[in-house]
Amino acid sequence: LAKTTQPISMDSYEGQEVNITCSHNNIATNDYITWYQQFPSQGPRFIIQGYKTKVTNEVASLFIPADRKSSTLSLPRVSLSDTAVYYCLGSYNTDKLIFGTGTRLQVFP
Amino acid sequence: DAGITQSPRHKVTETGTPVTLRCHQTENHRYMYWYRQDPGHGLRLIHYSYGVKDTDKGEVSDGYSVSRSKTEDFLLTLESATSSQTSVYFCAIRGGAGSELSYEQYFGPGTRLTVT
Repeated sequence: LAKTTQPISMDSYEGQEVNITCSHNNIATNDYITWYQQFPSQGPRFIIQGYKTKVTNEVASLFIPADRKSSTLSLPRVSLSDTAVYYCLGSYNTDKLIFGTGTRLQVFP
Repeated sequence: DAGITQSPRHKVTETGTPVTLRCHQTENHRYMYWYRQDPGHGLRLIHYSYGVKDTDKGEVSDGYSVSRSKTEDFLLTLESATSSQTSVYFCAIRGGAGSELSYEQYFGPGTRLTVT
């Protein structure tokens, strides 16, 4: 099964752009790359998903290089409310969806 | 919300007793998942289901069993609870744009289980 690697933690300030990168080992050619956000005492919340190149929604952008061995979640102009743990979905096997270790983002005023 | 509930929301039980957690969905999704999350840690997949009576193991399935007799319910059973199973348990359903091909999951509110 594929595994993912992402930084344990990151700090930022309000108004800055934050980029969180995830390395994907042995991702299958037909697997999606997916990111989640989790606040304390809540279940994870789906943020964005893509297959290749760039995907953008109202919350974030997802950049995927041609080799698909990594992905970068980009959060534009973060606010205090973006303080959370961000997970890239790893160990893809179509059905068996396993979360990575997560990146704890702390946004300061 | 995605129409997914978990029961009970909180439970305290003693070591050695059986415990069953219930996940209920109203969305008619084929895939359902059980994860556990320990303090300060990420989510670990316990079991998942890809249809009625169709289940498979995840990363940490020892000590757990599951059943899915109908689409809307996915049960997680701890046959003989141990203190190491104290955790928050999340259920998730899968499906979004593109339905079953998507890795978009919707999570329930979680069940906080304490085994004393």
